[in-house]
Amino acid sequence: EVQLVESGGGWVQPGGSLRLSCAASGFTFSDSWMNWVRQAPGKGLEWVANIKQDGSEKYYVDSVKGRFTISRDNAKNSLYLQMNSLRAEDTAVYYCVKDSPSVCTSSSCYPAGDFDSWGQGALVTVSS
Amino acid sequence: EVVLTQSPATLSLSPGERATLSCRASQSVSSYLAWYQHKPGQSPRLLIYDASNRATGIPARFSGSGSGTDFTLTISSLEPEDFAVYYCQQRVNWPPYTFGQGTKLEIK
Repeated sequence: EVQLVESGGGWVQPGGSLRLSCAASGFTFSDSWMNWVRQAPGKGLEWVANIKQDGSEKYYVDSVKGRFTISRDNAKNSLYLQMNSLRAEDTAVYYCVKDSPSVCTSSSCYPAGDFDSWGQGALVTVSS
Repeated sequence: EVVLTQSPATLSLSPGERATLSCRASQSVSSYLAWYQHKPGQSPRLLIYDASNRATGIPARFSGSGSGTDFTLTISSLEPEDFAVYYCQQRVNWPPYTFGQGTKLEIK
């Protein structure tokens, strides 16, 4: 059974930093693209970032570029999101999300782009 | 960025009724559209991928259809556990992947 367990959420003042972690189990972590998706209070879902199996490719939504960094440690089956220069509008539940199985060619593995397993979420509150 | 517009915002139905939820894309996403169910206090769950394929373990009462810009999620006969918020999501034009704003399916 796939399990994704987020940690590291909490309260931080505007301009501050926070690092989210996600511990993965029940699947071959190094075979999967991974994502962070967030949901602000009373709002819908918003994709934040993803990272390729080996960490060589990373993509972000425009609103977090230059402030957030996604990373992974395949030896520890862990995904991370370093969040700097936090703003009130970053307040949300952050989900660690596994991509559906990739489409791989001889040259690369492309993300499926739909999300077949989700963690329980970590609440990040940015407020003074 | 592809904008997904879901309708209606809220749908009030009774158990046993048929539910039809719509998702319209601002440009063609071919068949690269997924549907998710999200209940309060739980994580979202993948229901449908590539417009019409049920994800593992999803009951047959859930079905998806459409291509291009217009998509539909149908629940043939509502069970009490189906009342939730439903989101569509596209994966053809990324980054970013984008979601619709959601349809809340509530008990009438």
